[in-house]
Amino acid sequence: SAVISQKPSRDICQRGTSLTIQCQVDSQVTMMFWYRQQPGQSLTLIATANQGSEATYESGFVIDKFPISRPNLTFSTLTVSNMSPEDSSIYLCSVVRGSDYEQYFGPGTRLTVT
Amino acid sequence: GQNIDQPTEMTATEGAIVQINCTYQTSGFNGLFWYQQHAGEAPTFLSYNVLDGLEEKGRFSSFLSRSKGYSYLLLKELQMKDSASYLCAVRLNSGYALNFGKGTSLLVTP
Repeated sequence: SAVISQKPSRDICQRGTSLTIQCQVDSQVTMMFWYRQQPGQSLTLIATANQGSEATYESGFVIDKFPISRPNLTFSTLTVSNMSPEDSSIYLCSVVRGSDYEQYFGPGTRLTVT
Repeated sequence: GQNIDQPTEMTATEGAIVQINCTYQTSGFNGLFWYQQHAGEAPTFLSYNVLDGLEEKGRFSSFLSRSKGYSYLLLKELQMKDSASYLCAVRLNSGYALNFGKGTSLLVTP
């Protein structure tokens, strides 16, 4: 398995501000993803974090709102920009390692926007 | 588009067997996953099916029929700790990312 840590684990932020979430994996991984889980909902893919290049965003998510970095094979960040209460959600980092089919999830970052 | 359906809620008795169904209509298919998620925690992997048939892993089994776009998760000898949300997810041909259903909230009662 892969050990994934996320920082911060939770935060309360004011409308209009930005928050950067970090994802650190204990070993090199092939793929890294960012998901969002809104209250009472299932997981929605935001984007695939590509190492050394721009992330690939899903429909409904844009780089200006959710800039993503992946400088190496074990680390990625997701920024939630110009936050509004609708951004209140759990943000989860997920990884696929090598030829594994299993996708591992980090513990999540619980964001509340007031 | 992608459409993954599963029941919203289910209730079962401790010690019993429960089957959680998942149907999908997706453009491309490269595997079906089941995850368990306890409240406030990250999803944890339960099973993976890419070929038709039944995969058994302890008390949990998962079945797939690709021609019918259908899967189920079977939980045997239910325990109170099995109360959780169960998420069905499909991996598409286009990559490794997963498309999740809305999840089934299972309540195990004494």
